[in-house]
Amino acid sequence: SQELEQSPQSLIVQEGKNLTINCTSSKTLYGLYWYKQKYGEGLIFLMMLQKGGEEKSHEKITAKLDEKKQQSSLHITASQPSHAGIYLCGAFPKLTFGGGTRVLVKP
Amino acid sequence: NAGVTQTPKFRVLKTGQSMTLLCAQDMNHEYMYWYRQDPGMGLRLIHYSVGEGTTAKGEVPDGYNVSRLKKQNFLLGLESAAPSQTSVYFCASTPVGGGSYEQYFGPGTRLTVT
Repeated sequence: SQELEQSPQSLIVQEGKNLTINCTSSKTLYGLYWYKQKYGEGLIFLMMLQKGGEEKSHEKITAKLDEKKQQSSLHITASQPSHAGIYLCGAFPKLTFGGGTRVLVKP
Repeated sequence: NAGVTQTPKFRVLKTGQSMTLLCAQDMNHEYMYWYRQDPGMGLRLIHYSVGEGTTAKGEVPDGYNVSRLKKQNFLLGLESAAPSQTSVYFCASTPVGGGSYEQYFGPGTRLTVT
C-alpha cells in the first residue's frame, strides 16, 4: 500500500520566520492534497497537485510536487500565528494520508 | 449551505455498547467517506461510498459497518465498541471520485470508549 511520511512531525517557529514541511511517498503519486487542521477542528483544503514539477501558491503558502512525483513540500513564508495547526498531506486516488506535522508559531 | 455536518460532536461509550455516527452533506455529492484520526497516524479510511445504496471497505474497516440509504447521508456504526476505537472520526464528501476533487470534511466526532 502507498505510505506517506511527513517530516518533521512537529516544529516550533518564531513568528515571521519561514518553514518547510515535507511529504514523501513510497510510490509514485498520481496526485497529492495538502490540508490544514486547526486543533480540535476539521480539515481545511489548501492545495491539490497533480503534475510533476507543479507548484501552487495561496497567500503565503507554496506547495510543490517534484518531477518524479514522489515528494512534495509545503513552504510558509513569514509565518504568522494563524498558520499554527496540523498540516496533512494526502495521496489520491488511494486516499492515504501522512501522519501530520504539528506547527506552532511563537509570537 | 451547511456543507458536511456530523452528529454527535462528542460521545463516551462503554466497551460493548453500540452507536451510530451520522454524516450529512447538502452539496449533492456522490462520494462519501469515513476516516478515523489517531495521534501521529494521520487519517485512515474506514469505509466509503460511491453512491446511494453502495458502500466499500477502506484501509481499516474491521469493527465498523456503514450504510448509505440516502444520497445525502452516510452512517457509521459500531456494533460492539472497543477501547481501540477511541478516536476522532471524520466524514468527507466529493462530487465524484478519482481524487481530482477537493474532499470536503466535517468537523469531526470525538469518541471515547472506556
